[in-house]
Amino acid sequence: DAMVIQNPRYQVTQFGKPVTLSCSQTLNHNVMYWYQQKSSQAPKLLFHYYDKDFNNEADTPDNFQSRRPNTSFCFLDIRSPGLGDAAMYLCATSRTGNTEAFFGQGTRLTVV
Amino acid sequence: GDSVTQMEGPVTLSEEAFLTINCTYTATGYPSLFWYVQYPGEGLQLLLKATKADDKGSNKGFEATYRKETTSFHLEKGSVQVSDSAVYFCALSDSNYQLIWGAGTKLIIKP
Repeated sequence: DAMVIQNPRYQVTQFGKPVTLSCSQTLNHNVMYWYQQKSSQAPKLLFHYYDKDFNNEADTPDNFQSRRPNTSFCFLDIRSPGLGDAAMYLCATSRTGNTEAFFGQGTRLTVV
Repeated sequence: GDSVTQMEGPVTLSEEAFLTINCTYTATGYPSLFWYVQYPGEGLQLLLKATKADDKGSNKGFEATYRKETTSFHLEKGSVQVSDSAVYFCALSDSNYQLIWGAGTKLIIKP
């Protein structure tokens, strides 16, 4: 089945130690999103790509960066995780103009 | 700017009860409207959607009708099950095709 896959499902990292979360998709969608979600609150958009064009939300901290080497893969890099960055990170995809978004299972990040 | 307001939870019901979760929106233009569901520890799944006024989205016994006159998209189900326990998010897509989310409503179904 075509899908959005996030790895790992659970990630524990040390305070200040860089961490990378990954997302892959087999839907061939041109738009990919990264969201942060805390405690079943509404997801907060961090950034998104239209094809290779990167769009950063104004309030996304500089500590968060992203890479999209090709259509299928997208990475979220947290350069120096703080305790406040502990959250569920959700990757999603869609097609331009088709507003339905498909989500991965999420990565639960714990910072110790 | 565009916004979505949904009823606060948690909503606690007994199995086989009727469910309504209210959702209203403010938007320019004619957004598409969505209900997403999130089961514990999982990502978000699209439950249903409607793309224009008077459309009814339906899936797994859930329904919601796009009401332009009341700017609403209330979620309903005639008979809930324990397995419906989850957090439900109402959302709209804005003119830039970005999703605007409601705060989420936690639903608890007791046997």
